[in-house]
Amino acid sequence: GQNIDQPTEMTATEGAIVQINCTYQTSGFNGLFWYQQHAGEAPTFLSYNVLDGLEEKGRFSSFLSRSKGYSYLLLKELQMKDSASYLCAVLDSNYQLIWGAGTKLIIKP
Amino acid sequence: DADVTQTPRNRITKTGKRIMLECSQTKGHDRMYWYRQDPGLGLRLIYYSFDVKDINKGEISDGYSVSRQAQAKFSLSLESAIPNQTALYFCATSDSGTHYNEQFFGPGTRLTVL
Repeated sequence: GQNIDQPTEMTATEGAIVQINCTYQTSGFNGLFWYQQHAGEAPTFLSYNVLDGLEEKGRFSSFLSRSKGYSYLLLKELQMKDSASYLCAVLDSNYQLIWGAGTKLIIKP
Repeated sequence: DADVTQTPRNRITKTGKRIMLECSQTKGHDRMYWYRQDPGLGLRLIYYSFDVKDINKGEISDGYSVSRQAQAKFSLSLESAIPNQTALYFCATSDSGTHYNEQFFGPGTRLTVL
């Protein structure tokens, strides 16, 4: 079966750095997405990785290792507005997105 | 701004009722999707459509049907609603011509079946 695992909840302090991990086992791989979802709102696109390595976009970076079936999202200089759920999703061999359950990130002052 | 809209935003209905959720987009995207989201679970795909004449079942299509009336409109129907269909429903769109094929989501419809 297809499976995506990420921690259910994480807590971090304003101004700090946090790393949210995602591991996956899917039938084929055509890229990995990270989305941000504030409570009660729609998910919004953060990043896309299809090759191994680190993609940096401002305060957010995303890393991929295809051989390990592993990705992480790194958030720097945390702000209170970063409190949200972060969803990992893999595009499988049928170009369907398989979604993780999401990691709820709580930022404390 | 090009957008994805969903109506209604909230709906309370009773078991056995027929209900339709509507999705419209002005992004000009060819692909459209319906998902449901339950607490503690990831987004689960109900149906998807790659163009007007193409409809495909997703992971959890039982109890649901869809209609792609035009490139911009994709409706989800619950023929006879049941309480375990209580969930947050999202419509999404994507453009097959882009490298990422990232999906853009509507604001969601919160459905409660009593």
